Amino acid sequence: EIVLTQSPGTLSLSPGERATLSCRASQSVRANYLAWYQQKPGQAPRLLVYGASTRATGIPDRFSGSGSGTDFTLTISRLEPEDFAVYYCQQYVSSLVTFGSGTKVDIK
Amino acid sequence: QVQLVQSGAEVKKPGASVKVSCKASGYTFTSHAITWVRQAPGQGLEWMGLISGYNGNTNYAQNFQGRVTMTTDTSTNTAYLELKNLRSDDTAVYYCARVPNWYLDYWGQGTLVTVSS
Repeated sequence: EIVLTQSPGTLSLSPGERATLSCRASQSVRANYLAWYQQKPGQAPRLLVYGASTRATGIPDRFSGSGSGTDFTLTISRLEPEDFAVYYCQQYVSSLVTFGSGTKVDIK
Repeated sequence: QVQLVQSGAEVKKPGASVKVSCKASGYTFTSHAITWVRQAPGQGLEWMGLISGYNGNTNYAQNFQGRVTMTTDTSTNTAYLELKNLRSDDTAVYYCARVPNWYLDYWGQGTLVTVSS
């Protein structure tokens, strides 16, 4: 089973700042089967990025994904008030899904 | 528009079973799999397994093997999750989500299952 390690656990930033979230896999993620989700309190997660770098429908271009192999990054170029939330990465291999433990982006 | 609407909150005693439904609309149900993910209070996301909307084939996470059953009813475009022999640490919000390929693009609103004596 591939383990996804997200860092940092919490990121304290101000609106307008840049956020860089990391997701490291214990083994190479085949074909970049890596996705990112945003979750706000009391809501279901929302798909942001899939295929490591493809934004989902309706996702603003301030969100960008990058990386390959075992190291992946989600970047939010300029934080808007609605971006303060928890972010999860997810991978898929051999019909098994795993999630990272999440990074909380909160207001400094 | 794609929608997944889940059944309401449940309260169960330890050792009981729970069955949660997820009714899909806005797309061809048999074209995509449905997956189930749970989230304990204050915790992260835990994948439970997935079921093909086409043929009902399932793949369960090892942690739930033997206790979980996922089914579909293509006549009503509904997926079901049944979890048996409930324990207090099964208290969680249970989500269904559509799987168009390997990622989860649309999610249900979640169903809170509380296990308490």
